[in-house]
Amino acid sequence: DTAVSQTPKYLVTQMGNDKSIKCEQNLGHDTMYWYKQDSKKFLKIMFSYNNKELIINETVPNRFSPKSPDKAHLNLHINSLELGDSAVYFCASSGQDRDTEAFFGQGTRLTVV
Amino acid sequence: AQSVTQLGSHVSVSEGALVLLRCNYSSSVPPYLFWYVQYPNQGLQLLLKYTTGATLVKGINGFEAEFKKSETSFHLTKPSAHMSDAAEYFCAVSRGTGGFKTIFGAGTRLFVKA
Repeated sequence: DTAVSQTPKYLVTQMGNDKSIKCEQNLGHDTMYWYKQDSKKFLKIMFSYNNKELIINETVPNRFSPKSPDKAHLNLHINSLELGDSAVYFCASSGQDRDTEAFFGQGTRLTVV
Repeated sequence: AQSVTQLGSHVSVSEGALVLLRCNYSSSVPPYLFWYVQYPNQGLQLLLKYTTGATLVKGINGFEAEFKKSETSFHLTKPSAHMSDAAEYFCAVSRGTGGFKTIFGAGTRLFVKA
């Protein structure tokens, strides 16, 4: 059973399109995240979300929006895709305590052409 | 404020040689520290973590790290590199509960030569 699963694994789309990436975790964690990893492997936090609180990295364009139908799911919706959005997007989840590690999905490689 | 600095974006070792990946942190609270590994085309997975107690922490695949408060360091080592260790390694510090609680370093790519 995969702990954090995201789909699709690969996504190729044209500029201007709207797309979504789905994420599900079966770990019972309260907090889920979206990260963007650029071509230099740098990890940038985009969102942190639990039942009560959405925290948005202020550098993330408002074309990006997280949507959580329930505690186990946090989907990422992207409007009006741009070339610079090409990257690998990772979903992750963790418990609330400081000493708990994050569990990552396998990533979604988004290519905007 | 918390931050993490990984010295060296690339490290190359020969198979069987010592692996040393450097991580320094800054933290305004007692730090909780993590090392993650990312194999090609995969997500990150935990190698080891330090929270409290013993400062030498052992992880998976023969890796270990030592928390040195006086040096604000948490370097990752493995006595003998294997080809399968080739990957990207990330050091991270936890800065609290909730929110953006984990700060990641920029990563170090480990190359292992035959």
